[in-house]
Amino acid sequence: KAGVTQTPRYLIKTRGQQVTLSCSPISGHRSVSWYQQTPGQGLQFLFEYFSETQRNKGNFPGRFSGRQFSNSRSEMNVSTLELGDSALYLCASSLALDTQYFGPGTRLTVL
Amino acid sequence: GNSVTQMEGPVTLSEEAFLTINCTYTATGYPSLFWYVQYPGEGLQLLLKATKADDKGSNKGFEATYRKETTSFHLEKGSVQVSDSAVYFCALSDLQNDYKLSFGAGTTVTVRA
Repeated sequence: KAGVTQTPRYLIKTRGQQVTLSCSPISGHRSVSWYQQTPGQGLQFLFEYFSETQRNKGNFPGRFSGRQFSNSRSEMNVSTLELGDSALYLCASSLALDTQYFGPGTRLTVL
Repeated sequence: GNSVTQMEGPVTLSEEAFLTINCTYTATGYPSLFWYVQYPGEGLQLLLKATKADDKGSNKGFEATYRKETTSFHLEKGSVQVSDSAVYFCALSDLQNDYKLSFGAGTTVTVRA
């Protein structure tokens, strides 16, 4: 069974731009979560979607948003990029609520 | 709220040495516990998990036992290899926090030949 896939793997943007990241979960998984990983803050929860509904949201500004489609694929959008948004963005999917499987991540660099 | 504390690194070992990474947690509910591993340039891979007290998770020679009385989930491996060089994260999730994962800061392990 294929794992979680994320595209693109690398992105370079400039301040003020917006970006969209994509995540395809493991087949059959309906829950998708997003995390931000930075050297300073570590791994932080962004939000979680289940059956196209956002169920949970972390403590991030409204510039960070997401959505989930009927095929469980999810996208994450960051508007008005700031230098501090440079990070590895990780997507995870789960079948059973408590076990999450991660993708390879998207490395976002904001210049 | 939930929190995870793991021993600070970096940890440097010789091949075939014994590895232990301490992890303790604070949780509002009855959590499931996880160890994830991150190799350079990659995402997180689930290494092992335990869902109730005294459960032992094991995978690829790594083991960790869910100790409720000491709120700990220490990771151990009896004989490490160069290929075990990675960052290891202890994490927990519980129903009270909608199964959001709370992570420790990560421990960087380097194994030298």
